[in-house]
Amino acid sequence: GAGVSQSPSNKVTEKGKDVELRCDPISGHTALYWYRQSLGQGLEFLIYFQGNSAPDKSGLPSDRFSAERTGGSVSTLTIQRTQQEDSAVYLCASSFGLGSNSKYEQYFGPGTRLTVT
Amino acid sequence: DQQVKQNSPSLSVQEGRISILNCDYTNSMFDYFLWYKKYPAEGPTFLISISSIKDKNEDGRFTVFLNKSAKHLSLHIVPSQPGDSAVYFCAAIREGNTGKLIFGQGTTLQVKP
Repeated sequence: GAGVSQSPSNKVTEKGKDVELRCDPISGHTALYWYRQSLGQGLEFLIYFQGNSAPDKSGLPSDRFSAERTGGSVSTLTIQRTQQEDSAVYLCASSFGLGSNSKYEQYFGPGTRLTVT
Repeated sequence: DQQVKQNSPSLSVQEGRISILNCDYTNSMFDYFLWYKKYPAEGPTFLISISSIKDKNEDGRFTVFLNKSAKHLSLHIVPSQPGDSAVYFCAAIREGNTGKLIFGQGTTLQVKP
């Protein structure tokens, strides 16, 4: 079946503008995650959605970052008033969730490379 | 505070030889560990995992070893192939946690023909 898809693949924006990044998880996956990878760094957790539960937002770096997941499927990560330090690859992943034997195996999309100029 | 560390940013190995990638962690509450492989311009792909109740898990050419007392795990690739050239990330999680994986910084493996 289709994997996790993300759009756009690349986004260049001016400092101070808002951006929206989209993620389509694998069908049937109840859990969805956002991470970001800055240059030369590992993956940094941002936010986690599991079914209808309240999301775990503990990784969001500031209140300029927000995410929503509509209908338990597609998710949008929004960054308001972008700053240069927001430049990174933003990765989305999905998984079967905590009720599955393979609950920790997360499947990643190709990422969105965000460049703030 | 880097809870998962991959202290070698890069590794170069000859085709056919063994590749050993190392990972250390500081949080003793971690009890499940995963390795991911990442090619340029692609998302990470799951490779192999191990629960803390085991000390070894093998899948084809890939074996992960876990030393809980040392808080250390390693990924062995035997024999190494040029197609294995990628960035390898180890990740850790606390069982029953929200699914938030804690990743290391990654090790770039180059397998030379």
